[in-house]
Amino acid sequence: QSVLTQPPSASGTPGQRVTISCSGSSSNIGTNNVYWYQQLPGTAPKLLIYRNNQRPSGVPDRFSGSKSGTSASLAISGLRSEDEGDYYCGAWDGSLSGYVFGTGTKVTVL
Amino acid sequence: EVQVVESGGGLVQPGGSLRLSCAASGFTFSDHYMNWVRQAPGKGLEWVGRIRNKLNSYTTEYAASVKARFTISRDDSKNSVYLQMNSLKSEDTALYYCVRKAVADGSLDYWGQGTLVTVSS
Repeated sequence: QSVLTQPPSASGTPGQRVTISCSGSSSNIGTNNVYWYQQLPGTAPKLLIYRNNQRPSGVPDRFSGSKSGTSASLAISGLRSEDEGDYYCGAWDGSLSGYVFGTGTKVTVL
Repeated sequence: EVQVVESGGGLVQPGGSLRLSCAASGFTFSDHYMNWVRQAPGKGLEWVGRIRNKLNSYTTEYAASVKARFTISRDDSKNSVYLQMNSLKSEDTALYYCVRKAVADGSLDYWGQGTLVTVSS
């Protein structure tokens, strides 16, 4: 059972901006960094955003992250067909002493 | 180039055991915590557990769903991490990923391609 809540789906046309939310609690997002992972169809997840809003090298600046209180969000601007896939947020949970993932959001490019 | 490669998956009966292996290369393995994450068919990601590095006494942590049934170990001389799974249940059926944690923060920054475990009679 996922501790972090995400909308099941999000969609947009090419070039549009899409935002995905991630809702948690004081024991995870409220006190720890948030990470975002991208899973394209048939592939392993890949780190997309670290420490709330940092992009690893090679990740386009179309992807951006933010955090406020016990929630976080991922924005994809200039949506492209190759962005279609599943997106997960993640954070350490101090109460559970474990890493927790979001429920996942499927992004569709119309 | 950083690589993590899982092996050992397969079909096992309920109540049985299986040991997964993960071979790492391209980085100083001993510096990093290593994690196992699983994904049931058509479902989301679930963290299974992790093992810290020598500096942190190789301590382990597990998800409640696998605690007391699964054990993570590592052999830094072989750049390898292992997942011993006992008392397997049908709900343990999943693709199991070996994942490196970054030294600097909590990023799960390199993922293997996964090995499939199917628990069925």
